[in-house]
Amino acid sequence: EAGVAQSPRYKIIEKRQSVAFWCNPISGHATLYWYQQILGQGPKLLIQFQNNGVVDDSQLPKDRFSAERLKGVDSTLKIQPAKLEDSAVYLCASSWGAQNTEAFFGQGTRLTVV
Amino acid sequence: GEDVEQSLFLSVREGDSSVINCTYTDSSSTYLYWYKQEPGAGLQLLTYIFSNMDMKQDQRLTVLLNKKDKHLSLRIADTQTGDSAIYFCAESIRNNDMRFGAGTRLTVKP
Repeated sequence: EAGVAQSPRYKIIEKRQSVAFWCNPISGHATLYWYQQILGQGPKLLIQFQNNGVVDDSQLPKDRFSAERLKGVDSTLKIQPAKLEDSAVYLCASSWGAQNTEAFFGQGTRLTVV
Repeated sequence: GEDVEQSLFLSVREGDSSVINCTYTDSSSTYLYWYKQEPGAGLQLLTYIFSNMDMKQDQRLTVLLNKKDKHLSLRIADTQTGDSAIYFCAESIRNNDMRFGAGTRLTVKP
C-alpha cells in the first residue's frame, strides 16, 4: 500500500514570496490533515478535510495560509506571503474517517524562509 | 505552552527498559497516542489507548493511562539502538483533532 506522498521535500524561499505544497493521501482515505511542525515542537493541526469539506481550520492563519482539496483526493497548502516564522516542516496525514484512530503521515515538506 | 507535556530527553542503555512520560490537560480526551519520528521521516503510529482503558500491551510496548492524574506513559522493554527517535504523545477529543506534545528524544547507548 502506497503511503502519503508529499512534494516537494525541501523548499527555500525569501520572505514575502509565495509557496505551495502538495499532498496525495492514501487511496480511499476520506480525511486529510495538514500539520505545521516548528523545530523542537510537536505538530500543530492547521486544517482538517473530510472529503472536500473543511472540518476544522480554526488554527489556520487565514490571512496568509490557504488550503484546498477540490476533488476530495489530493490537497494543496499555500502560503502567501511567507514570513520568517513560517519556517517549519509541513506534514500531511490521512485517515479512513474523522473518528478513525490511526492517521498516516507523509514525510513532510521542510520550508525555510530567509 | 503545550497542552500536552513531555520531558525533552531520555537516555538509556541497550537492553534496558525505557519509560517515556506524558501529561495532558483535557479530561474529555477520547484517544491517547504514541507516535515515533525518526530523522527526516514522518510520524509513525506506535500504539494508542482508548480513554476507558488503563493499560495496553503490544509486544515490547506497554502503555499505562492514569485518567485521574491525566498521565500517560510508554514503556519500551529491551530497548534497542533502532528505538532511538523522538516519541510524541498526543490526545484527541473529537474528529481525530490530535494535540501533540513537544516530543521526547530517546537516545539508546550500546
